[in-house]
Formats: sequence, structure tokens, C-alpha cells
Amino acid sequence: EVQLVESGGGLVQPGGSLRLSCSASGFTFSSYAIHWVRQAPGKGLEYVSAISSNGGRTYYADSVKDRFTISRDNSKNTLYLQMSSLRAEDTAVYYCVKAPSSSWYYYFDYWGQGTLVTVSS
Amino acid sequence: DIQMTQSPSTLSASVGDRVTITCRASQSFSRWLAWYQQKPGKAPKLLIYDASSLESGVPSRFSGSGSGTEFTLTISSLQPDDFATYYCQQYNSYWTFGQGTKVEIK
Repeated sequence: EVQLVESGGGLVQPGGSLRLSCSASGFTFSSYAIHWVRQAPGKGLEYVSAISSNGGRTYYADSVKDRFTISRDNSKNTLYLQMSSLRAEDTAVYYCVKAPSSSWYYYFDYWGQGTLVTVSS
Repeated sequence: DIQMTQSPSTLSASVGDRVTITCRASQSFSRWLAWYQQKPGKAPKLLIYDASSLESGVPSRFSGSGSGTEFTLTISSLQPDDFATYYCQQYNSYWTFGQGTKVEIK
């Protein structure tokens, strides 16, 4: 069974940093591109970032570019999102999301349960 | 960037109704579009991919169609479990979601 379990969320002050993790199981982690998608309270889904199966290619939405860094450790089946210079508008549930292929442009077939990040003083 | 616009934003319907949600893209592409269903407090669930392919385990009352700049999700006979929010997503050029359509009980 495919499982994606996010952790690392919490309350952080504006301008602060936080690192999210996503632990994967039930599939060959190193064979798939993985993404982060977020959802602000009561709002819609917003795409955040992607990383290729071997970590060699990444993509960031304009809203997080130069502030967030996505990475992965295929030996640990774990995805990371390092978030810095956090703003109130980064407050959201962050989902770790798997694509069904190593190819870059694909839909998402499995989602984690999400971890809540709250940016507030 | 490709922008996705869904309509309507909210839809009130009754059990048994045929429901159609539309997703329009700011640029044309062939079939790289997915539909997701989300219930309150839960992660989204994949329903349709490649515009019209039904994900395994999804009831056949759900169907998708379209290409170019206009895509539709149709629920042929709305069931109580279908009251939720639905999102379209393009994956032709990076990834973008529509703003969502909430299907409410009439």
C-alpha cells in the first residue's frame, strides 16, 4: 500500500524557517517524481514544488521561488521541503504528492494526509 | 503559465441529478488534464486523468471529456457520497489547479 506521511509542520513566526519531511513507503520511491501542493485554510489547492526521481530537476511556483528548497534522499525514501523567509500567506496544509511515473509532466495519483504550517506572530 | 478557470464555483444539486463542471484553460493543450475530488478535512482523490481516463476504483458515473481549452467533468447521477469540492489540474506545462467547484445539496 502506498503511503506518504508528512511531518514537520507547526507554528512559526514571520521570517522564520521550517523543514517539512515526507516519508514514503509501499512503492519504489526512487522511481517517481514527487511534489508539494498546499491549501490555505478554506481555500483551493495551490501547486508548490516538484522534484524528479533522481533529484536532478526541480521546479518552484513563483510564490515560493528563492524561499523554498525541495530535496529528496532516495536512500531514506524521504522528501523534504526547506521553507525560509516565511510569510503569513504561506499558512496552509502542505501535501506530499506522488506522480505515477518518473516522467516530468504527470498527474498525481497518491496524496499524503498533509501537515499544517501556521505562520503567525 | 497556464491558468485554469472552473465554473461554476458552487453548484447546488439533488441526488440523482446529472452534474457538469467546466474547466477552461488560458492556453490550448490536448488531453493533459486531471480531475480530483476533495472532502472536508481530507486529501484530494484522483478521479480522472488524461481528460477522460477513469482512475481505477472510481465509479463509472464519473466521466471526463474535452481538449483544447475546454474540459468537463460529468457526474451522471449524483449520489450522496459525491457532495464535495472538485478541482481540475493541467499537467501540460508544469502544474496548475482550477479554483474548485463545491457541489452542495440542494
